[in-house]
Amino acid sequence: NAGVTQTPKFQVLKTGQSMTLQCAQDMNHEYMSWYRQDPGMGLRLIHYSVGAGITDQGEVPNGYNVSRSTTEDFPLRLLSAAPSQTSVYFCASSHFRVTDTQYFGPGTRLTVL
Amino acid sequence: SQKIEQNSEALNIQEGKTATLTCNYTNYSPAYLQWYRQDPGRGPVFLLLIRENEKEKRKERLKVTFDTTLKQSLFHITASQPADSATYLCALDNGGGSQGNLIFGKGTKLSVKP
Repeated sequence: NAGVTQTPKFQVLKTGQSMTLQCAQDMNHEYMSWYRQDPGMGLRLIHYSVGAGITDQGEVPNGYNVSRSTTEDFPLRLLSAAPSQTSVYFCASSHFRVTDTQYFGPGTRLTVL
Repeated sequence: SQKIEQNSEALNIQEGKTATLTCNYTNYSPAYLQWYRQDPGRGPVFLLLIRENEKEKRKERLKVTFDTTLKQSLFHITASQPADSATYLCALDNGGGSQGNLIFGKGTKLSVKP
């Protein structure tokens, strides 16, 4: 099992550009989440999904969109990148509930110029 | 206001000693608390989960305690090794049931010197 995979590993964007961060898991977990990690801020929840077709907002959802068309995939879209979105993004999946043990991906380091 | 705090940003100890990391919270009533390890450039990795009705949980050289009266969890690594050097995160559920979220502390960076 690959677990949770994320692509790309690194990305540089210009302000106003859009992009999609990819996340996939092969553990058949119903629950998936996106976090961002900033120095001195800890991990903060952006969006989460409790199953295919169902998503909800976390603590810091502004500027991001998600969708969940399959159990395996949970992409995160930046609609119009801003320097404040410079961060490391982690995708995670969990088995029984959103707050269950998180299986994290390796992360995407995003820089917005 | 609700807060989760890991009291030390950094902790330096000598190899072989016991490392003790602290996680305090206010205005939450978590059903359980989790500890994760994060190495530089990598995603966090789950270590231990302790429920509100459990006082202590052990896994090899790791021990976690959970005191819901003090609103505190302690994470111990006994006989520490340089390979234990990493950042350790605590996380709790915010008590929202099926709508709940995990709230993470900022982490404590542990350095174990040979």
